[in-house]
Amino acid sequence: AQSVSQHNHHVILSEAASLELGCNYSYGGTVNLFWYVQYPGQHLQLLLKYFSGDPLVKGIKGFEAEFIKSKFSFNLRKPSVQWSDTAEYFCAFWVPGGGADGLTFGKGTHLIIQP
Amino acid sequence: DGGITQSPKYLFRKEGQNVTLSCEQNLNHDAMYWYRQDPGQGLRLIYYSQIVNDFQKGDIAEGYSVSREKKESFPLTVTSAQKNPTAFYLCASSMLGGGANVLTFGAGSRLTVL
Repeated sequence: AQSVSQHNHHVILSEAASLELGCNYSYGGTVNLFWYVQYPGQHLQLLLKYFSGDPLVKGIKGFEAEFIKSKFSFNLRKPSVQWSDTAEYFCAFWVPGGGADGLTFGKGTHLIIQP
Repeated sequence: DGGITQSPKYLFRKEGQNVTLSCEQNLNHDAMYWYRQDPGQGLRLIYYSQIVNDFQKGDIAEGYSVSREKKESFPLTVTSAQKNPTAFYLCASSMLGGGANVLTFGAGSRLTVL
């Protein structure tokens, strides 16, 4: 079965620390990859996406993610986090040509940034 | 502004009662979805619809029902058959085709069964 594994359910960092959230997917073919973010009290929104081309993609608010096909990974990174990055982060993937139900989400990582 | 409106934001229900959650979008998206979000469980797909008057079950459809009478609207009914209905419910929409995999979400509805 298709699945997404996010390695850490809870991460606590201090401001200015570097961030890396792990994401691995299980599917042998071509995929589209996403990170969504849910800030406290706000809508779930798209942070960044990878469809094809350069495996290093940049998103909003200084976030980036790298697709490593050989490792089935799409880890999210930020060099220096801010208190406002406190949120829940979801990794997801879609199989191109799959149906409208083809988006598979991970269980999420709750990130807390301490001032 | 284009977007998705979910109502109510908070809802309390007694056991044995059905409740309907509203979802309206003005993005002209063809596809609409309902997800359930529980702590530590991520998002799980309940139902989705790609076209008016048609919808399909997702991974956890038991105890839920939907309708799609208009393109803009996709209400979800949580029936008394749903054994554990207390959760946060998210509605989403997307285009079909090339943009089908980028979802726009509503603000959610939190249902509590007393």
